[in-house]
Amino acid sequence: GQQVMQIPQYQHVQEGEDFTTYCNSSTTLSNIQWYKQRPGGHPVFLIQLVKSGEVKKQKRLTFQFGEAKKNSSLHITATQTTDVGTYFCAVVTGNQFYFGTGTSLTVIP
Amino acid sequence: GAGVSQSPRYKVTKRGQDVALRCDPISGHVSLYWYRQALGQGPEFLTYFNYEAQQDKSGLPNDRFSAERPEGSISTLTIQRTEQRDSAMYRCASSPTGAYGYTFGSGTRLTVV
Repeated sequence: GQQVMQIPQYQHVQEGEDFTTYCNSSTTLSNIQWYKQRPGGHPVFLIQLVKSGEVKKQKRLTFQFGEAKKNSSLHITATQTTDVGTYFCAVVTGNQFYFGTGTSLTVIP
Repeated sequence: GAGVSQSPRYKVTKRGQDVALRCDPISGHVSLYWYRQALGQGPEFLTYFNYEAQQDKSGLPNDRFSAERPEGSISTLTIQRTEQRDSAMYRCASSPTGAYGYTFGSGTRLTVV
């Protein structure tokens, strides 16, 4: 089955520091999606990447899809306490929609 | 509706009882997924519908689990003869098609005692 690994599993940063989470797949992906889940909340769709080497930005968030379409990253510049939560990548393989293991971000004020 | 609605929000049931979890997706959304999420884990795929057709049920843990979406809108996930290991958050998500991001419901927290 589809293997989707995310690193790191946990990340604690001081408010204002940058944060990056990486998503790695064992196979080439048609697209990748990113979700954010706040503590006690449900996953919320952030973005979808489709093209090789694609880079998309949402304010302080930068999403990148690798050239080989096997990996992706989410980078947050100058973290804020509102960034706290777990960030998941998700990939589609056939009819199945797999979520990565997630990276839990803690921002220390 | 405006969002994906799941009911009940919380369900406590005795081992051996059957439970039915309901998902009301966003109106017009074609694709509907059921997931199970354990604490601290990512959502685990259970099953997937396009309109009323169940496209993939390979994620259902065993034959005690079943799902339906008879009119291509509301879906029900049924767990028969519940066991303690079935305790989890069950989430439903819908999308206009499979090519867009999914909107998740708030989930049903199932506790089997």
